[in-house]
Amino acid sequence: LAKTTQPISMDSYEGQEVNITCSHNNIATNDYITWYQQFPSQGPRFIIQGYKTKVTNEVASLFIPADRKSSTLSLPRVSLSDTAVYYCLVGPYTGTASKLTFGTGTRLQVTL
Amino acid sequence: DGGITQSPKYLFRKEGQNVTLSCEQNLNHDAMYWYRQDPGQGLRLIYYSQIVNDFQKGDIAEGYSVSREKKESFPLTVTSAQKNPTAFYLCASSSPGTASYEQYFGPGTRLTVT
Repeated sequence: LAKTTQPISMDSYEGQEVNITCSHNNIATNDYITWYQQFPSQGPRFIIQGYKTKVTNEVASLFIPADRKSSTLSLPRVSLSDTAVYYCLVGPYTGTASKLTFGTGTRLQVTL
Repeated sequence: DGGITQSPKYLFRKEGQNVTLSCEQNLNHDAMYWYRQDPGQGLRLIYYSQIVNDFQKGDIAEGYSVSREKKESFPLTVTSAQKNPTAFYLCASSSPGTASYEQYFGPGTRLTVT
């Protein structure tokens, strides 16, 4: 499984756009990039997944450059409720159960 | 209302006792997983199961056991052999028809062993 590197923490004010970058230099050809969000004392929640270029859903956008060695999760206009830990994961889309490897993630703190 | 339930939310045990954590899902997912999370840390995989009556060890299976007798249920037993059992335990499930990395997590059980 590809190793990922994320900032340990980030701070933002409410209403700003937040970009969290994940480095994954040894990503494999069949690997996908997935982001999860976790609030304290809760299970992680799937946010977004992508393979290349840009993916957007109602919650976030995921930008993946052509070399795929990094990716950026973009949260538009964050609110206090976006304060959470965000995890970047890289691994194959196998269609069957596979191992998920979570690092320590990025702790985002949103304030007024 | 589909989802994953874990019970209880908080569990307290004395050292040396085995304890079983419950995980039930009604999402009709084939795959189920157990993770452990320690304070300030990421999740670590304990066991996972792709189908009924089959399961594989994850990264930290020592001191734990599981069973998968029904598709909906994947209980985890923390045995007395687990050196540091106090942690937050999370159960998850996924469907083979979707990306394997899209997993649905339960609310977790916080186990404290003294």
